[in-house]
Amino acid sequence: EADIYQTPRYLVIGTGKKITLECSQTMGHDKMYWYQQDPGMELHLIHYSYGVNSTEKGDLSSESTVSRIRTEHFPLTLESARPSHTSQYLCASSEMGGEVDGNTQYFGPGTRLTVL
Amino acid sequence: AQSVTQLGSHVSVSEGALVLLRCNYSSSVPPYLFWYVQYPNQGLQLLLKYTSAATLVKGINGFEAEFKKSETSFHLTKPSAHMSDAAEYFCAVSRSGNTGKLIFGQGTTLQVKP
Repeated sequence: EADIYQTPRYLVIGTGKKITLECSQTMGHDKMYWYQQDPGMELHLIHYSYGVNSTEKGDLSSESTVSRIRTEHFPLTLESARPSHTSQYLCASSEMGGEVDGNTQYFGPGTRLTVL
Repeated sequence: AQSVTQLGSHVSVSEGALVLLRCNYSSSVPPYLFWYVQYPNQGLQLLLKYTSAATLVKGINGFEAEFKKSETSFHLTKPSAHMSDAAEYFCAVSRSGNTGKLIFGQGTTLQVKP
């Protein structure tokens, strides 16, 4: 069982608020990812990190930002939430070494964000 | 460039019937392929993965998938559906190079009728 955690699980917040979605993993994985997923839809990669102090934008443009100060922690921040940010946000991690294991991603339970 | 296509956004089967979820991929390099399952309000859970060691891959919960290079397919099957199998299923292919990134299909919703 993968040990990757996300908090909060559900968040309802008003427009203009600053929010941080937390993601932590205890597996020592170097690679971490953030996906955005609308209900019943595919996953879109919005951020990823190969290690401490390494962050890059994903395929889908996002107004959110991320940081990676510690290996186990990969928080996502929205400076000013808007209704268009309403979605589910999934965090994942994978190992650095090994082509197959390095591509097996383990997911957290997700944060469902609603911006009013 | 790699891509994944899941045929059928919704599949409905009766309890006890065969489950077949279709996935076709496109890859210029030998692919690594994955099936994930997502239950409502949950993250994705790995069902199985193709590592090139064997073309028939067995996963959790009685699921298996067969890699067919000639058909560029990686269909997911289960001989007998259970009500608890109702969920969203995603096929994914790893991107070339050891980037760790995956390309996901659009997902297939499996409905199991009593």
